[in-house]
Amino acid sequence: GQNIDQPTEMTATEGAIVQINCTYQTSGFNGLFWYQQHAGEAPTFLSYNVLDGLEEKGRFSSFLSRSKGYSYLLLKELQMKDSASYLCAVRRGRDDKIIFGKGTRLHILP
Amino acid sequence: DGGITQSPKYLFRKEGQNVTLSCEQNLNHDAMYWYRQDPGQGLRLIYYSQIVNDFQKGDIAEGYSVSREKKESFPLTVTSAQKNPTAFYLCASSATATNEKLFFGSGTQLSVL
Repeated sequence: GQNIDQPTEMTATEGAIVQINCTYQTSGFNGLFWYQQHAGEAPTFLSYNVLDGLEEKGRFSSFLSRSKGYSYLLLKELQMKDSASYLCAVRRGRDDKIIFGKGTRLHILP
Repeated sequence: DGGITQSPKYLFRKEGQNVTLSCEQNLNHDAMYWYRQDPGQGLRLIYYSQIVNDFQKGDIAEGYSVSREKKESFPLTVTSAQKNPTAFYLCASSATATNEKLFFGSGTQLSVL
């Protein structure tokens, strides 16, 4: 089968660091994406990992371990505008479909 | 400006009625996708198309139909067979079918009257 798991909700404080985890089990693997989505809006691309390791892009970093079926998104220096849902998505190797997890709602407290 | 456009933003369907959601892109992308988003359910794939005049069912295709007569356009019809159509529908495109990120439209909220 296929499964992408991430926590439903998380809360963090402005200026702090938060790590959102994602584990996956899919039929083959062709890359993992992280998207940000504000309520009622379209998802926007944050990062893409296809090889093991850490990809850093400003305040956001994403890590992948293919052997463990695990990724995380790290957000530093949190700002109030980072309050959003964060979606983990895997491009399945069997048919190249992009399958999404249910998303993690991140609440930032002042 | 290049982008992907969905219309309308809000749509209401009566019982037994078919409705069509529009999706147009001017990014010259080969692949296009339709996702449905329900609260707490994440995005679920309805249909996708990797090339003109070809499309494949996603995980929840029942009650929906699509066409891909032009590279720029991938309309989704929600038929009367879809008994629970109320959801947020997102169209997306990517440059090729592999190793490329998805660009999303702004979405259509469909509700049943």
